Amino acid sequence: QVQLQESGPGLMRPSQTLSLTCSVSGVSISSGGHYWNWIRQRPGKGLEWIGYISYKGSTSYNPSLKSRVSISVDTSNKEFSLKLSSVTAADTAVYYCARDPGYCTTSSCPDWYFDLWGRGTRVTVSS
Amino acid sequence: QSALTQPASVSGSPGQSITISCTGTNSNIGIYNIVSWYQQHPGKAPKLIIYEVSKRPSGVSDRFSGSKSGNTASLTISGLQAEDEADYYCCSYARSGTPVVFAGVLFGGGTELTV
Repeated sequence: QVQLQESGPGLMRPSQTLSLTCSVSGVSISSGGHYWNWIRQRPGKGLEWIGYISYKGSTSYNPSLKSRVSISVDTSNKEFSLKLSSVTAADTAVYYCARDPGYCTTSSCPDWYFDLWGRGTRVTVSS
Repeated sequence: QSALTQPASVSGSPGQSITISCTGTNSNIGIYNIVSWYQQHPGKAPKLIIYEVSKRPSGVSDRFSGSKSGNTASLTISGLQAEDEADYYCCSYARSGTPVVFAGVLFGGGTELTV
């Protein structure tokens, strides 16, 4: 059974760099053909796609966050990570990791939908 | 890129059918059949219920169906049950600008369903 589990600091100060990790079990990060995403949900607001890293290591980021975001993968530890620099209160959110299956059934790849989600980790930015 | 537009709330009685709309533009829903829908219960992670406009993942009830017309996608839930009470989010691939300014997914603001 494939499972995703986020971990992170919980509370951060403004201007710090947020680091989150998503542990993946039940499937290989690097050989399964999947795309590994970060998505966040700010309080009282909808979902926002942050970016992905592919099974080959390529990345794509939301332009609104691109200057502050980095996603990397550690295949030996079966996890991928998110770094978000210069955080402010506006970055307070529940952060989810999610899998795009990468079946590439339409003309695009990745599939651009998310079939598996972690439970989410809450991050609060406050001075 | 603006988020997709959903009604803030809809309601229905057990056994009835409801439809949630999701309005985008010809940079997202209008030209791509890459629309998905997610169900989110309070305090839980979103769950995929529809992908590629109208396909259902294994294990999702056939009471859930999706469609698209022009720039608007729709989620219909038939035979409403108490367990369907949740927030629902639409999502679409979007690409805009020449050269490309945005390429990724946009989500709707969410619709709270009360049964």
